[in-house]
Amino acid sequence: KQEVTQIPAALSVPEGENLVLNCSFTDSAIYNLQWFRQDPGKGLTSLLLIQSSQREQTSGRLNASLDKSSGRSTLYIAASQPGDSATYLCAVNSGGGADGLTFGKGTHLIIQP
Amino acid sequence: DTAVSQTPKYLVTQMGNDKSIKCEQNLGHDTMYWYKQDSKKFLKIMFSYNNKELIINETVPNRFSPKSPDKAHLNLHINSLELGDSAVYFCASSLGEGKGFSYNEQFFGPGTRLTVL
Repeated sequence: KQEVTQIPAALSVPEGENLVLNCSFTDSAIYNLQWFRQDPGKGLTSLLLIQSSQREQTSGRLNASLDKSSGRSTLYIAASQPGDSATYLCAVNSGGGADGLTFGKGTHLIIQP
Repeated sequence: DTAVSQTPKYLVTQMGNDKSIKCEQNLGHDTMYWYKQDSKKFLKIMFSYNNKELIINETVPNRFSPKSPDKAHLNLHINSLELGDSAVYFCASSLGEGKGFSYNEQFFGPGTRLTVL
């Protein structure tokens, strides 16, 4: 059974810092991994999707890496801004196709102005 | 243009009632999902469905049933509501269908907060 762990559970940093969020999963046989952000009382916004054959994906100030063999992914946020404050969720697709995602419990990020 | 929409946004009801949550996607996707986010904010898959196959998480009580009138809609019916059903329910969709299609980015709706009194 796939399990996803995110460290740290919460993080507070001053504006402008670069930061790394960590995600680990127990079963390396995944199809893809997806990073989301969730704002309070809102739905999930997809940030990046990394296919199992890829090592990293970039979107703006965000960079996500994947090391499938070791069961790890990181989300790097450059030059953090107060608007980046949210909960960041890591999710893996282990079954492909119509199977659901297995989520971590998230990292609650606060960027101090 | 909302890609995945849900109604209602909030639902407050009494224990024992039957209720439905509607979900629609305008992305042309083949697969839709329901997830439950509990009070500790943990998200867990309940169902995934395409026009060929319903996959049910074995932990979901049979009081919950998905119904799909067409490919763009997947509604969630809940019978005999219990206090423990209080949660936020998210609908999602993705392009692919069947196993082996690995490029499935999932897009989520805004959620429905269900409160059972």
